[in-house]
Amino acid sequence: DTEVTQTPKHLVMGMTNKKSLKCEQHMGHRAMYWYKQKAKKPPELMFVYSYEKLSINESVPSRFSPECPNSSLLNLHLHALQPEDSALYLCASSHRSGVVVFEQYFGPGTRLTVT
Amino acid sequence: DQQVKQNSPSLSVQEGRISILNCDYTNSMFDYFLWYKKYPAEGPTFLISISSIKDKNEDGRFTVFLNKSAKHLSLHIVPSQPGDSAVYFCAASSKTSYDKVIFGPGTSLSVIP
Repeated sequence: DTEVTQTPKHLVMGMTNKKSLKCEQHMGHRAMYWYKQKAKKPPELMFVYSYEKLSINESVPSRFSPECPNSSLLNLHLHALQPEDSALYLCASSHRSGVVVFEQYFGPGTRLTVT
Repeated sequence: DQQVKQNSPSLSVQEGRISILNCDYTNSMFDYFLWYKKYPAEGPTFLISISSIKDKNEDGRFTVFLNKSAKHLSLHIVPSQPGDSAVYFCAASSKTSYDKVIFGPGTSLSVIP
């Protein structure tokens, strides 16, 4: 099973809403990632979890709150977002061995629209 | 400041011919390079990678060449097939943190039957 699943596929939320994006993998990967991708742009790294601990936060605003409840699950909690946060949110995972990290497997993404 | 550049936003190639996608980087600390393919409404899919200790890596129809002195890499697809039509991202990371993968802006490849 080389699949990373993400739910929901689409999400429309108002600026006062609270919602969560979910990501799951069953490949035994111990590194998981959140990326943001705007139209016709490359993916931009937001957060990295390594062995269920937050290891990288790319200066992401606090209205985005990641959570890694266990080695298979990754959540992104959203609160008080702005219209410019509308984008495709991609989750990825990869195998790691010490400091060596291998290629990332991406989910299909959640298309988020903030109204 | 773009650390990974793909100067051709798009490329059209006839089916059966060679596709060559180019990528340049500016950060001399990068030592691991990857190519991803992305179809619309899907996440990127890993294609092939190369470490800086090599100058070529081959996997089936896909070959990546690395020229460290020029800070340049290229992806060759031979023969090109219509199913190869997608956006191709070049990406790079360094031993300071292999988790921090920097993606280029992408090249949209169209393979014409």
